[in-house]
Amino acid sequence: GEDVEQSLFLSVREGDSSVINCTYTDSSSTYLYWYKQEPGAGLQLLTYIFSNMDMKQDQRLTVLLNKKDKHLSLRIADTQTGDSAIYFCAESNDYKLSFGAGTTVTVRA
Amino acid sequence: DAGVIQSPRHEVTEMGQEVTLRCKPISGHNSLFWYRQTMMRGLELLIYFNNNVPIDDSGMPEDRFSAKMPNASFSTLKIQPSEPRDSAVYFCASSLTRLYGYEQYFGPGTRLTVT
Repeated sequence: GEDVEQSLFLSVREGDSSVINCTYTDSSSTYLYWYKQEPGAGLQLLTYIFSNMDMKQDQRLTVLLNKKDKHLSLRIADTQTGDSAIYFCAESNDYKLSFGAGTTVTVRA
Repeated sequence: DAGVIQSPRHEVTEMGQEVTLRCKPISGHNSLFWYRQTMMRGLELLIYFNNNVPIDDSGMPEDRFSAKMPNASFSTLKIQPSEPRDSAVYFCASSLTRLYGYEQYFGPGTRLTVT
């Protein structure tokens, strides 16, 4: 079955860049997603990348995909306190999303 | 757009009681998903509907759980009888089916506590 792994915690200083990493095992993954969950809230779709792309940039967010190594990363430029949240990586090749356990990002002043 | 709407936001009930969770998907979306989130197991897909028809219910834990989607704008997840191990946050998500890719939009969740 599918397996998605992420590091559990990341602490970053305000204004620095954050990089959250994710690895997955399903080579047939078509789409890879990043979701953000703030306390007491649902998951917010941040961005996604199609498996035939290497990079996608959307304002402060940059997604890098290394399909050979099955490695996905999310870079947040100029990290702000509002970026403190849990970030989930997910992959799919149809309707079923397989989520990682989530990376808790803490932004310190 | 109001997004995915779920009710109630919080539910506290006693073991053995029936619990009904409700979801209104985003208008125009034709796929609906129910998830359960716990610390131990993370996010688990319980059931997936497409055009109001259940397509995959393999994640439904047991016969105590049932889900319905009587029309395109409403779905329920029922637990009868409830047990303490059902305590979790239950999310509903909806998406528009494309040839590839399901951009799922999540509701705020229902936090269920069974005592």
